[in-house]
Amino acid sequence: NAGVTQTPKFRILKIGQSMTLQCTQDMNHNYMYWYRQDPGMGLKLIYYSVGAGITDKGEVPNGYNVSRSTTEDFPLRLELAAPSQTSVYFCASIGGGGSPGELFFGEGSRLTVL
Amino acid sequence: GDSVTQMEGPVTLSEEAFLTINCTYTATGYPSLFWYVQYPGEGLQLLLKATKADDKGSNKGFEATYRKETTSFHLEKGSVQVSDSAVYFCALYTGGFKTIFGAGTRLFVKA
Repeated sequence: NAGVTQTPKFRILKIGQSMTLQCTQDMNHNYMYWYRQDPGMGLKLIYYSVGAGITDKGEVPNGYNVSRSTTEDFPLRLELAAPSQTSVYFCASIGGGGSPGELFFGEGSRLTVL
Repeated sequence: GDSVTQMEGPVTLSEEAFLTINCTYTATGYPSLFWYVQYPGEGLQLLLKATKADDKGSNKGFEATYRKETTSFHLEKGSVQVSDSAVYFCALYTGGFKTIFGAGTRLFVKA
């Protein structure tokens, strides 16, 4: 049971570089999310998707882009990295059926922008 | 709008002490309520949940009861262990796409 898988786990970027954080889930969940968690803080929603081909902005979308070409994959693109994007990024999906609203999280991707 | 308020941390306890982390919510519908736990260096994982009023969620010795009259979902454990040191998040889900999280409460348990 892989659940939600994120790569890479750690990355250091220079200011102005770009990169993509990968997220894959094997639970056939329609809803997927990207959160960021700054040190000692709670979670902030960056983007979410309610199904393949449908994405929308969360609370803090600036500097990021997403796509959802398949049910399984929900990559997060950082364009022109800035020090303010230093954070831990979590991908998550929501289950349905007997457990509505339960979020399944990946292990996180720790990004440092220098 | 919907919101979740949980007690600020950090909370520091000695092993075998009683734990309460308060969580209250405001919601227009009939939310499901959750506690998630984040151990150091890891992602969040579900600790327990309750989907309707008066439901009690329980797991790993933790309990929380969905109280509609007080709009609360306080987390309790009778005897904490060092391994319970983590950050605990209260959350509500009213359907659709969005989960509302509290700010998180960091728990330190001393041996």
